[in-house]
Amino acid sequence: EAGVAQSPRYKIIEKRQSVAFWCNPISGHATLYWYQQILGQGPKLLIQFQNNGVVDDSQLPKDRFSAERLKGVDSTLKIQPAKLEDSAVYLCASSLLSGRAGYGYTFGSGTRLTVV
Amino acid sequence: AQTVTQSQPEMSVQEAETVTLSCTYDTSESDYYLFWYKQPPSRQMILVIRQEAYKQQNATENRFSVNFQKAAKSFSLKISDSQLGDAAMYFCAYRNRIQGAQKLVFGQGTRLTINP
Repeated sequence: EAGVAQSPRYKIIEKRQSVAFWCNPISGHATLYWYQQILGQGPKLLIQFQNNGVVDDSQLPKDRFSAERLKGVDSTLKIQPAKLEDSAVYLCASSLLSGRAGYGYTFGSGTRLTVV
Repeated sequence: AQTVTQSQPEMSVQEAETVTLSCTYDTSESDYYLFWYKQPPSRQMILVIRQEAYKQQNATENRFSVNFQKAAKSFSLKISDSQLGDAAMYFCAYRNRIQGAQKLVFGQGTRLTINP
């Protein structure tokens, strides 16, 4: 079974520029998550999709962050304009949609963003 | 809202010895999952062990075991016979066990160093 694919692996941009990250979840996983992990901290959920609908985006800074999941498969997370405090690892994860919430949750290797 | 706290930013242990990582959490739910994830420098979150709150028996996976104290809301990870490959960041995480996919709530992490 292929894992969760993310690209790019690294990205360096200047503040006020824009950037986009891509995620391809495991085939058949209805739910997709984007987490932000600032250095020295645990991951924090930015947005959760169920198929192509948003379930939870309460922690997403909507003035600068946006995300979409076309056709309920791939997803793109965008930041425009970027700030220095956006420097972090952006992790994508996917899971099965089922009542057994403890199973089938897989992470990608993340994109490390540095804003200078 | 649920919170997860890891009070040990760093821990170290001699190779082949035993180490225990601490985690406490806060929730008003009675049915949930708890996890320990390992994050090596590759950044991918790897599931180490999982505990279902309704089970009284502590989970065990080879050299990894947990001490789950539901009333105290404590969930510690014990690593026996530590190996150099165990060196990584370890995150405690919580997830509600209700119908449908649910987000993970992470602690701040503990960096584990294994001394040869």
